[in-house]
Amino acid sequence: GNSVTQMEGPVTLSEEAFLTINCTYTATGYPSLFWYVQYPGEGLQLLLKATKADDKGSNKGFEATYRKETTSFHLEKGSVQVSDSAVYFCALSYAGGTSYGKLTFGQGTILTVHP
Amino acid sequence: KAGVTQTPRYLIKTRGQQVTLSCSPISGHRSVSWYQQTPGQGLQFLFEYFSETQRNKGNFPGRFSGRQFSNSRSEMNVSTLELGDSALYLCASSSTAGTPRDTEAFFGQGTRLTVV
Repeated sequence: GNSVTQMEGPVTLSEEAFLTINCTYTATGYPSLFWYVQYPGEGLQLLLKATKADDKGSNKGFEATYRKETTSFHLEKGSVQVSDSAVYFCALSYAGGTSYGKLTFGQGTILTVHP
Repeated sequence: KAGVTQTPRYLIKTRGQQVTLSCSPISGHRSVSWYQQTPGQGLQFLFEYFSETQRNKGNFPGRFSGRQFSNSRSEMNVSTLELGDSALYLCASSSTAGTPRDTEAFFGQGTRLTVV
């Protein structure tokens, strides 16, 4: 079956540090890939997405590139802020007939940024 | 544009009881999905409804059920509650009519269910 594996956390950084959160996936066919962010007490918000190989998703300074050869979708940001502290989820949706409405999530990575 | 609304936000129930959670999708969205979020299992897909029909279902026991109304609002029901059902239940809506290859899912804030 389809699965997503994220790097183990939590991740603790100082403000303005470089961020990488690794994400790899297992899926048949050509899934779409997503990064979602969850702030305390809230639901999930879409951060960025990529729908085909070599696509780069970007938003709010975050970037991730869909690498089919390494089945990866690593999240990066050049300079994190305290306000980026949240839980980050990598996810895939598979355009298959039995996959309506289904996102498969990684386990989530807690990011804490200190001033 | 109003977002996805889930009610109630918090709920405490006793083992053996049943519970119904509600989700109002974004206006115009016809697909509603439900997820269970726990510290141990993470985010797990429960089921998806589109135009009042369940199109997809995750690996949960039959105690978990749902439905969708003609206005796209959805409810999920859990019968005979167990302690392990304590979780954050999230609802997501999207506008897609077909496979969601390039469609964003918008999530509600969730319902925090505690079973005692």
